[in-house]
Amino acid sequence: EDKVVQSPLSLVVHEGDTVTLNCSYEVTNFRSLLWYKQEKKAPTFLFMLTSSGIEKKSGRLSSILDKKELFSILNITATQTGDSAIYLCAFAAISSGSARQLTFGSGTQLTVLP
Amino acid sequence: DGGITQSPKYLFRKEGQNVTLSCEQNLNHDAMYWYRQDPGQGLRLIYYSQIVNDFQKGDIAEGYSVSREKKESFPLTVTSAQKNPTAFYLCASRTGGSGANVLTFGAGSRLTVL
Repeated sequence: EDKVVQSPLSLVVHEGDTVTLNCSYEVTNFRSLLWYKQEKKAPTFLFMLTSSGIEKKSGRLSSILDKKELFSILNITATQTGDSAIYLCAFAAISSGSARQLTFGSGTQLTVLP
Repeated sequence: DGGITQSPKYLFRKEGQNVTLSCEQNLNHDAMYWYRQDPGQGLRLIYYSQIVNDFQKGDIAEGYSVSREKKESFPLTVTSAQKNPTAFYLCASRTGGSGANVLTFGAGSRLTVL
């Protein structure tokens, strides 16, 4: 059975700290891995990763995929209170037709204290 | 601006009542999805639809029903057969084609059964 495991489940840091969020997966027919940020309501898209070893970067956030070891990390440097959110990891599998859906992990609840 | 509109944002229901959650998108996306989110469990797929007048069950479809009469609309009915309906419900959509895995989410509907 395909699955996605995120760790830690929750994390509390202070502003300015650097955090690393982990996502490991077991999936057949892997296509891509996605990261989303959810602040109370709608998850918003952060990154999509399809190739190993290529870092995606957006401001203070970056992410990388290791397809051999089946994991991805999301790094946030110089954290701010606005980074407080649930960070969701999901994978998309190759299917015979259009991608059926994304399979999500349980998320990491990040709290950044002032 | 294009996006996904879910309504109502908050809904209370007595046991034994059916309730319908609305999801409307003006993104011209082909595929639409309903997810359920419970604390610590990430997002679980209820139903999805790739084209008008067609939809498929997801992982937790029991006690739910959907329709897709228009491209823009994908309402979800939570029936009295759903044993534990209290949850946060998210609607999402994406463009067609196997290469497009990024979902756009609505702001969600929180259902509480009294």
